[in-house]
Amino acid sequence: DSGVTQTPKHLITATGQRVTLRCSPRSGDLSVYWYQQSLDQGLQFLIQYYNGEERAKGNILERFSAQQFPDLHSELNLSSLELGDSALYFCASSPRFTGELFFGEGSRLTVL
Amino acid sequence: AQTVTQSQPEMSVQEAETVTLSCTYDTSENNYYLFWYKQPPSRQMILVIRQEAYKQQNATENRFSVNFQKAAKSFSLKISDSQLGDTAMYFCAFMGTNAGKSTFGDGTTLTVKP
Repeated sequence: DSGVTQTPKHLITATGQRVTLRCSPRSGDLSVYWYQQSLDQGLQFLIQYYNGEERAKGNILERFSAQQFPDLHSELNLSSLELGDSALYFCASSPRFTGELFFGEGSRLTVL
Repeated sequence: AQTVTQSQPEMSVQEAETVTLSCTYDTSENNYYLFWYKQPPSRQMILVIRQEAYKQQNATENRFSVNFQKAAKSFSLKISDSQLGDTAMYFCAFMGTNAGKSTFGDGTTLTVKP
């Protein structure tokens, strides 16, 4: 158990819909990262937050947005969903200055 | 921008043997972190080993060790005494010391055969 909690574990929805994925980082970790892993592919970095502020941005689509709240949990919002958005979405948190990532179990999104 | 290349999409090894997974990266930064992560069929991402670029000594964790060649920008993972439970996809990853954007390789699928 990494200590990072992601909900929901599985989500099935239709094209055009909007979903929210939630992540609670490990206790004490201020950084939260979001990654997308499409079937049998590597991890694509989406976005990072540090203590509520956006810190780094990757290849995140304009239809996607994220935020980190004062209690440090984070949400990834995916809107106008397309079939190609079907993927495993990981959240990870990191202790300060180590760079080490602790991953949640992921949220598997299926868009039909 | 950083890039991470894993040139071996698939590898296999006999149980109890040794296998080496390759990783090369490109960066203009001098200080950074490198990692190997394991993703078994459960899809959970598990940290295998971590290397800080300023440390010349290669990291080791039990049966796992790395060969870090900073000048060559190479970071290979050696698994000794391979076990069936080592069957997984292995990802090489780079992170700058600002601990911001991270870059993962495309992964190497390792199969340990009995």
